[in-house]
Parts: sequence; structure tokens; C-alpha cells
Amino acid sequence: AQSVSQHNHHVILSEAASLELGCNYSYGGTVNLFWYVQYPGQHLQLLLKYFSGDPLVKGIKGFEAEFIKSKFSFNLRKPSVQWSDTAEYFCAVNALAGSGGYQKVTFGIGTKLQVIP
Amino acid sequence: DVKVTQSSRYLVKRTGEKVFLECVQDMDHENMFWYRQDPGLGLRLIYFSYDVKMKEKGDIPEGYSVSREKKERFSLILESASTNQTSMYLCASSDLLAGGNEQFFGPGTRLTVL
Repeated sequence: AQSVSQHNHHVILSEAASLELGCNYSYGGTVNLFWYVQYPGQHLQLLLKYFSGDPLVKGIKGFEAEFIKSKFSFNLRKPSVQWSDTAEYFCAVNALAGSGGYQKVTFGIGTKLQVIP
Repeated sequence: DVKVTQSSRYLVKRTGEKVFLECVQDMDHENMFWYRQDPGLGLRLIYFSYDVKMKEKGDIPEGYSVSREKKERFSLILESASTNQTSMYLCASSDLLAGGNEQFFGPGTRLTVL
């Protein structure tokens, strides 16, 4: 079964600092990779996704992530964070699972980012 | 835009009660999912469904059941609520044939079992 590890559970940054959130997954086959974000009081929404092609993926609000297959990693980055980036961030992997071979998404435990003005 | 709605934002029930959580999506998605979200544990999959009347167990199905009688509606049932089922419950849907199983989430139901 696949698993997802997020290394940083709580990150505190000042505005304009650079951000990198680590994500590693364990699965030997083909995967789709996602980062979701949950702003305070709001529902989970997609930040960016990787299916194939260019391993550097750009998402909304200046976020990007790089898929490094050899390291089973999909780290999230942003060069300069803003106070409005305060949220919880979840890495997720989609791979085959289930009795019928259906796809199942597995989420990491999340990283809470607090940006101080 | 995909819209996923959940019947209640907040729910308080007593131990032993039967609880129904309803989820409706309006984009004709084949896939629907139920998760619970707990601090420090992230999202854990309870059940999912890839078609009407079809269901598959997720990672933590014990104490739960589901029903999918119509494509747009996926219900989570707690047969006999217990205090350890106090949690935030999230419903999601995705398109089977596109999007790599990108999921669209509802606002969540915060369930408290007393």
C-alpha cells in the first residue's frame, strides 16, 4: 500500500521568507501527485498536481513543486510567502488500490504553515 | 465549478445514536469518497465508491457504512455512534476518466459525539 510522509508538521515563517515543504511517498508504480491547501475556515482545495511530463509543476498563488522520481519526493516551494499563505498543506498520492484495481488517493498528515507579518 | 455539499456543518449526537451524513455533488462524478480529518493524523479514507451501489472499504471502515443509491449522493452512516468518532468528516468527488483522481471537497461536517 502507498504511504505519504510530510516531514514538517508545523512551520513558522516571516513574510517574504522562502518556503519548502517536504513530501515523500512510497509506491513503486505510476503515481499522480497533488498538493492541497486548507485555509482557515475553508474547505480543502487543489494547489497543484503532477501527472506526467515536466517534473516542475506550477500551481496557484506562486506555488510550485518538483517531482524527483529517484527520491520519491514532491516538495512544495514558494520563493516569498505572504501572510495570506497561512494554512494547512497536504501532500497526496494517487495510485492503484482496492479489490477492483481502483485508484485511491492517500494523504499525508499535513503541515501547518503560519506566516508572521 | 464543481460543487460538493454536505448536509450539516455541525452535528452533535449522543453515544449509541445512528447518524447519517449526506453528501451531494453536482458534476456527474463517478467517484465519491468519505474521509475523517483529525489533528496530527491528516485525512484518513473511510469508504469510497466508483459507481452507484458500489462501495469499497478505505483504511478505517470499522464502525461505518455507506450508501450510494444515486450517482450524485453518497451517505456515510454511523450505526452506533461512539465518542471516538468525534471528528471532522469530509466528502469528496472526482472524475473517473480525467484529472488523475483530483478530488473536490465539501466544506466538512464537524461531528461531536457525547
